[in-house]
Amino acid sequence: NAGVTQTPKFQVLKTGQSMTLQCAQDMNHNSMYWYRQDPGMGLRLIYYSASEGTTDKGEVPNGYNVSRLNKREFSLRLESAAPSQTSVYFCASSETGTTGELFFGEGSRLTVL
Amino acid sequence: GEDVEQSLFLSVREGDSSVINCTYTDSSSTYLYWYKQEPGAGLQLLTYIFSNMDMKQDQRLTVLLNKKDKHLSLRIADTQTGDSAIYFCADPGTYSGGGADGLTFGKGTHLIIQP
Repeated sequence: NAGVTQTPKFQVLKTGQSMTLQCAQDMNHNSMYWYRQDPGMGLRLIYYSASEGTTDKGEVPNGYNVSRLNKREFSLRLESAAPSQTSVYFCASSETGTTGELFFGEGSRLTVL
Repeated sequence: GEDVEQSLFLSVREGDSSVINCTYTDSSSTYLYWYKQEPGAGLQLLTYIFSNMDMKQDQRLTVLLNKKDKHLSLRIADTQTGDSAIYFCADPGTYSGGGADGLTFGKGTHLIIQP
């Protein structure tokens, strides 16, 4: 029972490098999300996708792009990484019309030097 | 924008009750949630309460909702070392005014258990 799977789990980048975080869910959920978690800041929404083919900005979208590749997959791309993007990134999914519960992946720990 | 506030730390003795408090600003929420995050892991839903309820009890967990004051609390009875985690209060997001906008989370309360 995989749920939400994120890759990679750990990554170290140099300033200016690019990378893509991958996320896949096997629960047939319509909605998917990317959050970042920073000490003392809680979780902040970066982007979300309410359904396949749509994406919308959340609270902190600057410096990120997303792609909803299909119903299962939602990727987050950093085109030119900055030290301020050092964080733990969480992907989540949910089914609309239910209690709104979000199901989270285990997180991807990114360090930008 | 909306806001969810909770204290950052709570320290309790093993066996005592823990009470974690949260205030929120969005009065249109249908559900309010408590999530638990253990070290190195993602968040997992602990419990939720429907907005027309004042209280929900589930084994050692009691959730109280005061809609007038926009105050939510989570009580953990007989706190154990395994309850040591970060607890997040969450409210449905309103980034685009409705639909599957995700949840707005508080900063999280670190529950520290003293032996």
